[in-house]
Amino acid sequence: AQSVSQHNHHVILSEAASLELGCNYSYGGTVNLFWYVQYPGQHLQLLLKYFSGDPLVKGIKGFEAEFIKSKFSFNLRKPSVQWSDTAEYFCAVNAPYGGSQGNLIFGKGTKLSVKP
Amino acid sequence: NAGVTQTPKFQVLKTGQSMTLQCAQDMNHNSMYWYRQDPGMGLRLIYYSASEGTTDKGEVPNGYNVSRLNKREFSLRLESAAPSQTSVYFCASSEGPGQLDTQYFGPGTRLTVL
Repeated sequence: AQSVSQHNHHVILSEAASLELGCNYSYGGTVNLFWYVQYPGQHLQLLLKYFSGDPLVKGIKGFEAEFIKSKFSFNLRKPSVQWSDTAEYFCAVNAPYGGSQGNLIFGKGTKLSVKP
Repeated sequence: NAGVTQTPKFQVLKTGQSMTLQCAQDMNHNSMYWYRQDPGMGLRLIYYSASEGTTDKGEVPNGYNVSRLNKREFSLRLESAAPSQTSVYFCASSEGPGQLDTQYFGPGTRLTVL
C-alpha cells in the first residue's frame, strides 16, 4: 500500500529563518505530488503540485519543492519564513495508474510555528 | 465561484443520534470526496465518488454512508453517531480520475459526539 511520511511533527523557527520540510512516499510507479497548507481554523489550500517536467516546482507565497525520484522525496522549502507562514503543512501523493484509483494519500502533517 | 461549500460548520451530537453533512461544489467537477481529520493522523478518506452515480469506500468507511445526489452534491450520513466520530470533516472535489487531477477542499465541519 502507498504511504507518505513527513519527518517532523512540529517545527519552530524564527522569522527570516530558512525552512525545509521533509516528505517521502512509498510507490515505485508514476506519482503526482502535492503540498497543502492549513492555516489555523481554515481549510486546506493547495500550495504547489508536481505532475511531470521540471522537478523543481514553485508555488504560492514563495514556497518551492523539489521532486527527487531516486529518493522518493518531495521536500518543501522556503528561503525566509514569515510569522504568517504559521500553519500545518501536508504532503500528499496520488498514483494515477496505481491500485487506489488515484486517490490522495496524505502524510500526517507538520505544524510550523514561526516566532516573530 | 464559491468552490466547495459545506454545512453545517459546527455540530454537537449525542451518542446514537444521526445527522447528514452536506457538501456542494460549483466547479462542474466529476469526483467528490469525504475525509476526516484527526490530530496527528492527517486526512483519511472515508468515501469517494469518482463520478455521478458511483460511490466507493475509502480507508475508514465504517459508521458512515454517502449519497451522490447529483453532480454538484455529495452528502455524508452518520446513522448512529459514536464518540470516535468526533472529528473535523472535509469535503473535496476534483475534475476526475486522471493524471492531472487536483483536489479542492471545503471549509470543514467540526463535529463533536458526546
